[in-house]
Amino acid sequence: DTGVSQNPRHKITKRGQNVTFRCDPISEHNRLYWYRQTLGQGPEFLTYFQNEAQLEKSRLLSDRFSAERPKGSFSTLEIQRTEQGDSAMYLCASSSRGHGAYTFGSGTRLTVV
Amino acid sequence: AQSVSQHNHHVILSEAASLELGCNYSYGGTVNLFWYVQYPGQHLQLLLKYFSGDPLVKGIKGFEAEFIKSKFSFNLRKPSVQWSDTAEYFCAVDLNRDDKIIFGKGTRLHILP
Repeated sequence: DTGVSQNPRHKITKRGQNVTFRCDPISEHNRLYWYRQTLGQGPEFLTYFQNEAQLEKSRLLSDRFSAERPKGSFSTLEIQRTEQGDSAMYLCASSSRGHGAYTFGSGTRLTVV
Repeated sequence: AQSVSQHNHHVILSEAASLELGCNYSYGGTVNLFWYVQYPGQHLQLLLKYFSGDPLVKGIKGFEAEFIKSKFSFNLRKPSVQWSDTAEYFCAVDLNRDDKIIFGKGTRLHILP
């Protein structure tokens, strides 16, 4: 499968714990995006990378959130000291610069209890 | 603030009925426009896109959308829906064509067999 891969698919964590998600984009795509989706809402932009450079970070992303894309390949999204409000589906997508349309992964569903 | 509005949150139709889902955006500059679909249990998939040229674009599975610049609209249409079209549909806009997509809240479509 050459699509966008996200791991894990589901994560249940206790409030206050740290969690890390991984995204493997389509190999020839140089742009990688993280979105968050809650029930009844569309995906909300969090951050994106072009190769290894993080180009923009949403105001939605508090200091507890950090994302990396070492070597411009896979990316990780870490949430420190999780809160119940962090419960959501975290989506990763990739695209080629100038292509416009994204290819999405299946997402990681986070539940903070 | 720039935004994307989808007028209908939940639509119920019978098979063979015609479909039109509304989408408006608020931005005066150049845009790329998209409709994404999420079938139950699946990831977001591109249905169709508009970058330039003919404002009537055709997508997969018999869907089409018309870009009306003067109305800032990009409505999705299908002349005759099928039960398999049951899904959530998201309108999305790439403002200023900078490869960062903003999504609407989505329209949940339920087709009665």
